Amino acid sequence: DSGVTQTPKHLITATGQRVTLRCSPRSGDLSVYWYQQSLDQGLQFLIQYYNGEERAKGNILERFSAQQFPDLHSELNLSSLELGDSALYFCASSVRTGFVSTDTQYFGPGTRLTVL
Amino acid sequence: SQELEQSPQSLIVQEGKNLTINCTSSKTLYGLYWYKQKYGEGLIFLMMLQKGGEEKSHEKITAKLDEKKQQSSLHITASQPSHAGIYLCGADILMDSNYQLIWGAGTKLIIKP
Repeated sequence: DSGVTQTPKHLITATGQRVTLRCSPRSGDLSVYWYQQSLDQGLQFLIQYYNGEERAKGNILERFSAQQFPDLHSELNLSSLELGDSALYFCASSVRTGFVSTDTQYFGPGTRLTVL
Repeated sequence: SQELEQSPQSLIVQEGKNLTINCTSSKTLYGLYWYKQKYGEGLIFLMMLQKGGEEKSHEKITAKLDEKKQQSSLHITASQPSHAGIYLCGADILMDSNYQLIWGAGTKLIIKP
């Protein structure tokens, strides 16, 4: 158990809908990362938050947004869902500030999103 | 092209045999991470290497960092069915004055009984 929790574990929804994925980082970790993993794309970095502020952006679509709350949990919002958004969505956490050269990310179990 | 190349993409190995997976960066490495993932599950942290020449072991898995070659290798001795899964490497690189983690595409390992 990494200490990172994600809910829900599975989500099935229809195209055009909106969903929210939730992540609670490990105790003491200030950074939260969101990743998308599909069969053909591998692990794709979406976005990072550090202590409530956006720190880095990856291949995140405009239909997707995220935030990190004062208690450090994070939510990833996916809207106007398309079939191609079906994937595993992972959250990871670390203490990283961006100014330290090495830092280990610990991953949650993931949310499997299926868009029908 | 990929900044972090993993090879091979997939590997089928007879149980009991040894194997090696490589991860090569096109940029200066400040840290190299190995993770294992079982299908549909989260990534499990295996080990982190930081210094050139560093070598770490966990059970039958050994990872080395060749700083000059900007490369790391993951070696599994006497493979077992429990070693099956996807192995991913991640690397800390300096980008726009911040350290960021980039990922390899993964190596799928199948162990034949």
